[in-house]
Amino acid sequence: GENVEQHPSTLSVQEGDSAVIKCTYSDSASNYFPWYKQELGKRPQLIIDIRSNVGEKKDQRIAVTLNKTAKHFSLHITETQPEDSAVYFCAAPAFTSGTYKYIFGTGTRLKVLA
Amino acid sequence: NAGVTQTPKFRILKIGQSMTLQCTQDMNHNYMYWYRQDPGMGLKLIYYSVGAGITDKGEVPNGYNVSRSTTEDFPLRLELAAPSQTSVYFCASSPYKAGTSEKLFFGSGTQLSVL
Repeated sequence: GENVEQHPSTLSVQEGDSAVIKCTYSDSASNYFPWYKQELGKRPQLIIDIRSNVGEKKDQRIAVTLNKTAKHFSLHITETQPEDSAVYFCAAPAFTSGTYKYIFGTGTRLKVLA
Repeated sequence: NAGVTQTPKFRILKIGQSMTLQCTQDMNHNYMYWYRQDPGMGLKLIYYSVGAGITDKGEVPNGYNVSRSTTEDFPLRLELAAPSQTSVYFCASSPYKAGTSEKLFFGSGTQLSVL
């Protein structure tokens, strides 16, 4: 089955610096890679996703890169702001035996220091 | 459009009690999921369903049961609650159309304490 590893578990950056979070996955059939942001006490929300037919996708200050050969993908946040402080989860949904399920990484707690 | 609705928001159970966490969605999504999130930890898949009448185990199904009699509802049943089941439970749904729409929509969560 799918296994997703996420690093680091915690990350502190100064406001304005960049943050990078990395995930690796095991199922070579995975073809969709989302990132979710969870603020304290709130539900996870999708912030960006990428499909296996592209290597990079950007949306303003956030970007995701994918290396299918190495089976890893990364979230990049530039010009970090205090409101970026949250827990970020990657996921690598697996389509197996006719069903589709999401397996999440263990999460990264990002703290942006003002 | 309410999205994914979970009830209750908070609940305290005594060891050995049973309860059902309710989840309903009004987006006509086929896929529904139950996750648990322990304090400071990630999301673990308990059970999921690909449509009415079809359910399957996730990563941590022991101590739980589910049913999916309608597209809208996906209740999670805890039998003989144990302290290890203290967690925040999230229900989620997805339209899942391969190549076009795999986004998960989450409910607001149920915070459960077993004492």
